Amino acid sequence: DSGVTQTPKHLITATGQRVTLRCSPRSGDLSVYWYQQSLDQGLQFLIQYYNGEERAKGNILERFSAQQFPDLHSELNLSSLELGDSALYFCASTPGILAGAFRNTGELFFGEGSRLTVL
Amino acid sequence: SQQGEEDPQALSIQEGENATMNCSYKTSINNLQWYRQNSGRGLVHLILIRSNEREKHSGRLRVTLDTSKKSSSLLITASRAADTASYFCASQADRGSTLGRLYFGRGTQLTVWP
Repeated sequence: DSGVTQTPKHLITATGQRVTLRCSPRSGDLSVYWYQQSLDQGLQFLIQYYNGEERAKGNILERFSAQQFPDLHSELNLSSLELGDSALYFCASTPGILAGAFRNTGELFFGEGSRLTVL
Repeated sequence: SQQGEEDPQALSIQEGENATMNCSYKTSINNLQWYRQNSGRGLVHLILIRSNEREKHSGRLRVTLDTSKKSSSLLITASRAADTASYFCASQADRGSTLGRLYFGRGTQLTVWP
């Protein structure tokens, strides 16, 4: 058990809909990362938050957004869903503290993922 | 893309044999990490090797790093059926706007037959 909790584990929805995925990082971790894993694209970095602020952006679509709340949990919002959005969405966390920097240089602790199926 | 690539894509061996997976990456790195993923589960960190290290061991795992070739290898010795999983390398950029970013390869699917 990594200590990172993601809900829901599975989600089935229709095209055009909107869903919210939730992540609770390990206790004390300030950085949260979101990744998308699909068969054709592999594991793609979406976005990183550190202590409530967006710190890095990867291949995140404009239809997707995220935020990190004061209690450090994070939510990933996916809207106007398309068939191609079907994937496993992972959250990972790290302490995010290395000489005061938000840039982690160690391992990521992953949750078990949320499997999204868009029909 | 700055993602690395693992080779082979799939590897099938018998229990007791050694499994070797290779990884190539593109950027200058701070470290390179290996992760394991059981089918449909989260990734689990296995081992991290820093850019100034050439070899590292952890139990039955041995990782090498050749920064001049931008490549790494993961060796699992005396494999077991329970080692069956996908293995990913992840290179961590050491500079620029992507400092700290982890770039994952597409993984090697290892199957170990009893």
